[in-house]
Amino acid sequence: SQELEQSPQSLIVQEGKNLTINCTSSKTLYGLYWYKQKYGEGLIFLMMLQKGGEEKSHEKITAKLDEKKQQSSLHITASQPSHAGIYLCGAGPPGGRAQGAQKLVFGQGTRLTINP
Amino acid sequence: NAGVTQTPKFQVLKTGQSMTLQCAQDMNHEYMSWYRQDPGMGLRLIHYSVGAGITDQGEVPNGYNVSRSTTEDFPLRLLSAAPSQTSVYFCASSGLDGRSSYEQYFGPGTRLTVT
Repeated sequence: SQELEQSPQSLIVQEGKNLTINCTSSKTLYGLYWYKQKYGEGLIFLMMLQKGGEEKSHEKITAKLDEKKQQSSLHITASQPSHAGIYLCGAGPPGGRAQGAQKLVFGQGTRLTINP
Repeated sequence: NAGVTQTPKFQVLKTGQSMTLQCAQDMNHEYMSWYRQDPGMGLRLIHYSVGAGITDQGEVPNGYNVSRSTTEDFPLRLLSAAPSQTSVYFCASSGLDGRSSYEQYFGPGTRLTVT
């Protein structure tokens, strides 16, 4: 079965600093999803990557999928208190994008704290 | 739209009791899933459904039952609660058409404690 390893597990950065969270898969990634979870709440979809070398950005968050499709990184530029929370990567199964999103395997999460 | 709703938000059960966690979505999504979240382990898939009348097991299905009689509702039943089922449970849904098939919409979660 596929396993996702996130690093670091916990991250504390000063407001305004850049940071990177990594997600490494034990198998080829056919669809890699990034979610953010605020403490005690549900998950909010950030981005989804499928193609090797693909990069997507949303506001100050950029996600990349490496060429070999086994690792993804999430980069936050000029961090703000609103970025605090738990970031999770999720991997979808092969066999088509339409049936991937509802049965994801998740990493253990990275807890991000932003100090003012 | 209310999105994905879950009830109750909190629940305490005694070992051996049964209960149903409710999940409903008003987005006409075909796909629905149940996950549990435990500290340091991310989310793990319990059961999922690709449409009314169709369900399948995920990674950790033991001790849980599901049914999907309508598109909107996807209840999760705990048959005989055990302390190992203490967790936060999330329901999620996703659609078939266009972009929405990439994105799962998550409910706010149900925090369950089994004593």
